[in-house]
Amino acid sequence: DGGITQSPKYLFRKEGQNVTLSCEQNLNHDAMYWYRQDPGQGLRLIYYSQIVNDFQKGDIAEGYSVSREKKESFPLTVTSAQKNPTAFYLCASSILLLFRTGNTEAFFGQGTRLTVV
Amino acid sequence: GQQLNQSPQSMFIQEGEDVSMNCTSSSIFNTWLWYKQDPGEGPVLLIALYKAGELTSNGRLTAQFGITRKDSFLNISASIPSDVGIYFCAGVSGAGSYQLTFGKGTKLSVIP
Repeated sequence: DGGITQSPKYLFRKEGQNVTLSCEQNLNHDAMYWYRQDPGQGLRLIYYSQIVNDFQKGDIAEGYSVSREKKESFPLTVTSAQKNPTAFYLCASSILLLFRTGNTEAFFGQGTRLTVV
Repeated sequence: GQQLNQSPQSMFIQEGEDVSMNCTSSSIFNTWLWYKQDPGEGPVLLIALYKAGELTSNGRLTAQFGITRKDSFLNISASIPSDVGIYFCAGVSGAGSYQLTFGKGTKLSVIP
């Protein structure tokens, strides 16, 4: 079945450690996104990528890094520079169609809950 | 950046009642999406809207793309307990722009 998979579902990190969250999709989507969700809050964009080997900062990129070496994969690293990393992290993907306004639906993974201990 | 104002923030309704929630913006969007999120899970796409004035249904859910392209609403008819969750609206601003702007969500509670 086609879909978008995040792993792990739960992750615990000690303060000062970097940690990498995995996101893989087999939907053949060009665009991929990382969002952060805090309790009672909406989704805030961390990074997004519209094509392999290219990515752009979102609204809250500080303390995070990403890579897009393959179309299917968009891992997110939460670095020790992120002051408040405990949150629910969501990865999404969408078809990228230039100069068209249709078919821009984005599909989400199941999320990774990161807790700093 | 762009912002979406989603209301209400939360609502408690009796099972069987109809529900309405909406999103407004000062910016124009070319696409409106409505998602539902269950606790501890990722959002699931409910309805996608692509044209101003478009009215689309998905079972008991109906959503409309506002004529001004600055708003959208979602209605749920005859609510049931499994409708409980957080509903998010999201907008895509234009061709070549594939960032989604999300509302802060409407938390729906259904009283059996």
